[in-house]
Amino acid sequence: EAEVAQSPRYKITEKSQAVAFWCDPISGHATLYWYRQILGQGPELLVQFQDESVVDDSQLPKDRFSAERLKGVDSTLKIQPAELGDSAMYLCASSLRTPESEAFFGQGTRLTVV
Amino acid sequence: QKEVEQDPGPLSVPEGAIVSLNCTYSNSAFQYFMWYRQYSRKGPELLMYTYSSGNKEDGRFTAQVDKSSKYISLFIRDSQPSDSATYLCAMINDYKLSFGAGTTVTVRA
Repeated sequence: EAEVAQSPRYKITEKSQAVAFWCDPISGHATLYWYRQILGQGPELLVQFQDESVVDDSQLPKDRFSAERLKGVDSTLKIQPAELGDSAMYLCASSLRTPESEAFFGQGTRLTVV
Repeated sequence: QKEVEQDPGPLSVPEGAIVSLNCTYSNSAFQYFMWYRQYSRKGPELLMYTYSSGNKEDGRFTAQVDKSSKYISLFIRDSQPSDSATYLCAMINDYKLSFGAGTTVTVRA
C-alpha cells in the first residue's frame, strides 16, 4: 500500500543547531503539505506545494524555516537555528490534487529541542 | 476566532457506546470534509471523506455534513477500546486544508 514516507522518526537537537526533515509523498501526488503539531493541538500548516511551487507559506517562520521541493517529488523542511519552542511533531501529507482529493499523512518526525 | 472549532474533550465512554464528535466552521467556502484518527505519537489516519451535505457510512463510522449550519459530525457505533484516539476534523477551502484542535476519546473496557 502506498504511503507517505518521513525521516527521521525522532530527532533531538540542541538549541541553535540546524535540523532537517525529509518527506517522500505518495507517487503521483502533486500536492505536498508540511504541518506542525504541538502536543494537544491540531496540525497547523507551515507550507504547501503544488508540484515544485509554493502555494502557501504564510505561516512559515521564514527567518529560521525553509522548505523546498526541487523536482516536485520529495521535500525537505529545514530549521536553522532551532529554538526550544520548535519542539513538536512535524507532519508531511500529500494529495493527488486539491481541493477535491483527500490528504494522506506520514508518521511524522518528533522533534525535541534541548 | 479559528476557522474550524472542535471541542478538545476529553471524552470518555464505556465500550459499546455511541461516540458523537462535532466540528463547526465559519467559512462557507469549505467544500470537502474529512475526519482523521490519530493514535498517540503517530500521524493522522484518514477515516472519512465527504463533500456534500448528508450522511456517509463506512462500517461503524457515520460522517454527517450540514453545510447550511456549517456543522459536521462523526458517529462511532459499538465503540471499542481500540477506538481510543484523538479524532481530528479537517476541511478544504480551494486549496487550503484546515484542521480542528482534535477531540481525545477514551473507550473504557
